[in-house]
Amino acid sequence: AQSVSQHNHHVILSEAASLELGCNYSYGGTVNLFWYVQYPGQHLQLLLKYFSGDPLVKGIKGFEAEFIKSKFSFNLRKPSVQWSDTAEYFCAVRRNTGFQKLVFGTGTRLLVSP
Amino acid sequence: GAGVSQTPSNKVTEKGKYVELRCDPISGHTALYWYRQSLGQGPEFLIYFQGTGAADDSGLPNDRFFAVRPEGSVSTLKIQRTERGDSAVYLCASSLKGTGDGGANVLTFGAGSRLTVL
Repeated sequence: AQSVSQHNHHVILSEAASLELGCNYSYGGTVNLFWYVQYPGQHLQLLLKYFSGDPLVKGIKGFEAEFIKSKFSFNLRKPSVQWSDTAEYFCAVRRNTGFQKLVFGTGTRLLVSP
Repeated sequence: GAGVSQTPSNKVTEKGKYVELRCDPISGHTALYWYRQSLGQGPEFLIYFQGTGAADDSGLPNDRFFAVRPEGSVSTLKIQRTERGDSAVYLCASSLKGTGDGGANVLTFGAGSRLTVL
């Protein structure tokens, strides 16, 4: 069965620090990859997505993610975090054939201290 | 509507009772999904509708859970004989299409319905 692993469950950073959140998936075929974010008290929102093409994907609010097929990874990065980035981040993966359910990781809770 | 709307936002019920959770997807979205998110976990797939039909219900945990989408728009998730283990946030999402690459198949989520079974 398809699975998604997010290695960091809790991350605490100071403002202006760099961020990298790990995401690995188990499926070996062609996949679509997503990062969703959930700010405190808000619903899940799409941060960025990868379908094909350039493996370096830019999203909203200065976030980017790199798809490395050989490592089955889709790590999320931001060069300089802000207090407003405090949220929970979810990586999600879907096989790219017909209907395939979107499978989520367990999430990483990020706390940015001012 | 502008976003995915879910009601109620909070529901507290007693063990053994029947519960209905409603989802109103984005207008024009043919695909609708239900997910369940337990504390400390990521969203877990329950069921997918394409139009009025349940195209994939492989995530429903048991026969106490049932969902309908009779007119291809609003959907209701129904839970019979609720158990304490059913306590979770139930998320609904919709997308323009349910298959294929591209932006038409990106899920937009609602705020969820938090179910607490005492």
